[in-house]
Amino acid sequence: GESVGLHLPTLSVQEGDNSIINCAYSNSASDYFIWYKQESGKGPQFIIDIRSNMDKRQGQRVTVLLNKTVKHLSLQIAATQPGDSAVYFCADFEAAGNKLTFGGGTRVLVKP
Amino acid sequence: NAGVTQTPKFRVLKTGQSMTLLCAQDMNHEYMYWYRQDPGMGLRLIHYSVGEGTTAKGEVPDGYNVSRLKKQNFLLGLESAAPSQTSVYFCASSYVRGGGYTFGSGTRLTVV
Repeated sequence: GESVGLHLPTLSVQEGDNSIINCAYSNSASDYFIWYKQESGKGPQFIIDIRSNMDKRQGQRVTVLLNKTVKHLSLQIAATQPGDSAVYFCADFEAAGNKLTFGGGTRVLVKP
Repeated sequence: NAGVTQTPKFRVLKTGQSMTLLCAQDMNHEYMYWYRQDPGMGLRLIHYSVGEGTTAKGEVPDGYNVSRLKKQNFLLGLESAAPSQTSVYFCASSYVRGGGYTFGSGTRLTVV
């Protein structure tokens, strides 16, 4: 079946640098994509989303890019801070099938 | 603070025992969900509800039952626990299906 997946399980980043987390998806019918952050011992927390008719969306220190041609989604975190250390995972939603699928997650480690 | 509250936070069961996990939300969300999170497998949907009095099966419903007698509560029951049900369980709610979810902090269940 179609699924959403992540390329790298762990990403080490120097504090102050930018982080880029990637996600590949296969469902061309997906309408909506979401990024979540999960800190240790906590539930996932919504970060940012993007609809399939958009290429880019910016939030506070975060930017999501969507490339529908290659079915690729990325999350960019500017000036990464120690508090950004967490597992990040993407999800895609297909309205017609009423299906939300989560990826497996990428761990981001911020080095001081 | 408004949000999703799960109880209990931790539980150890013996094989064959039963238990109920409680999820409560105070955001007046129509949609509620139960997920399980296992290492390397991401979040998998167990059951969900689109409103008070309704329930529906998700991706991995076997061995679980749910009830939504009140809009703010969504109960997850294990009738006869098995070691394969050892996992972290997350409840979530949303205003619309597929929309930005609010997750609870999780219940870590171990079945021995």
